Amino acid sequence: NAGVTQTPKFQVLKTGQSMTLQCAQDMNHNSMYWYRQDPGMGLRLIYYSASEGTTDKGEVPNGYNVSRLNKREFSLRLESAAPSQTSVYFCASIPRTGTMNTEAFFGQGTRLTVV
Amino acid sequence: QKEVEQNSGPLSVPEGAIASLNCTYSDRGSQSFFWYRQYSGKSPELIMSIYSNGDKEDGRFTAQLNKASQYVSLLIRDSQPSDSATYLCAPNFGNEKLTFGTGTRLTIIP
Repeated sequence: NAGVTQTPKFQVLKTGQSMTLQCAQDMNHNSMYWYRQDPGMGLRLIYYSASEGTTDKGEVPNGYNVSRLNKREFSLRLESAAPSQTSVYFCASIPRTGTMNTEAFFGQGTRLTVV
Repeated sequence: QKEVEQNSGPLSVPEGAIASLNCTYSDRGSQSFFWYRQYSGKSPELIMSIYSNGDKEDGRFTAQLNKASQYVSLLIRDSQPSDSATYLCAPNFGNEKLTFGTGTRLTIIP
């Protein structure tokens, strides 16, 4: 059981380049999330998908887009990378929102550097 | 705005002592609470969940919840160097967003 799988683990981009971070979960979870984590800043929510077919902005959505491709997959796209997007990105999933059990399962993270 | 407050630390505790981590939250209606541990360079992992007022013990870890005071804590007894990590509090606000505190960095001193 792989849980949550993120690709790639590391990436270096030049300013202005685009890329897509991939996330897939095999736990039949309804809800998926993208976070960025900067030193001393904790986990900041970029976008989330409460259920298949829906996506919503979190607290730091500017410069990003997302696609909930199907129940398993939730991708994050940087259209024109900027140095301020240098960060560690985590994908997470929970069974569903609005219940008592919102235990989150995380991918291993993507360390992105924009030069 | 749902908020979670944690002391960012760093919190330094001698090996073998009790480490106490605290978290306050803004939503009185929150029903369940989760503590995650994150080692440097790794992803967060769940270590404790608590749903009811009072204490919940699991090995060396005890979670304490006081809903009236909107306060949840994590105690680590007999602290070990392997407990050195950042600890994230995550109240379940019952909405679609998944909110985490900024985390408390804990260092166990041998």
